[in-house]
Amino acid sequence: GAGVSQSPSNKVTEKGKDVELRCDPISGHTALYWYRQSLGQGLEFLIYFQGNSAPDKSGLPSDRFSAERTGGSVSTLTIQRTQQEDSAVYLCASSYNSWNPGNTIYFGEGSWLTVV
Amino acid sequence: AQSVTQLDSQVPVFEEAPVELRCNYSSSVSVYLFWYVQYPNQGLQLLLKYLSGSTLVKGINGFEAEFNKSQTSFHLRKPSVHISDTAEYFCAVSESTNAGKSTFGDGTTLTVKP
Repeated sequence: GAGVSQSPSNKVTEKGKDVELRCDPISGHTALYWYRQSLGQGLEFLIYFQGNSAPDKSGLPSDRFSAERTGGSVSTLTIQRTQQEDSAVYLCASSYNSWNPGNTIYFGEGSWLTVV
Repeated sequence: AQSVTQLDSQVPVFEEAPVELRCNYSSSVSVYLFWYVQYPNQGLQLLLKYLSGSTLVKGINGFEAEFNKSQTSFHLRKPSVHISDTAEYFCAVSESTNAGKSTFGDGTTLTVKP
């Protein structure tokens, strides 16, 4: 596609339910990133994937959060047993690769998650 | 670990006035620095970046930033702003040892008034 595509754009879920957020990166991009943006705050790094290498999961806030990337393309971020503090915008981004900082990172428009 | 501080959460200015958005970072290794802009109801887009070389970098829409290693700063400037520059601006840093992991500041909301 022309840009990074995320779905759903908005999600309201009840506390305790599981949610899945999907990201479709730009075709040909081997690096895929997930960030979280809480109201009035900056972006918080969650995880990034580079090709078939083991992902850098150092930003995942708890074991309720997990992500996978199938076939080196589409990624799914899963939040289990959602809590109200999980309410945020979840941003996905991709770049040609992650080891060259000169590669521009392109962001999707985000998935707004509200936990009630 | 790297960190970023954006010193102003909100900056109101009048149209055609100059503006500076301040950013300081902390890191124990060499860094790459970025400014991103988020217009209302849009995704983030890269404004400019410093990787190496000349400390003054120019970006889109007439913005520029200067990397100051001694002061660990990367302030963003524009000599004359337009109404259309109203947006949220984020400073970000990544380290040479792990270029894929960026740390972002909390953002500065620039509001340009007529």
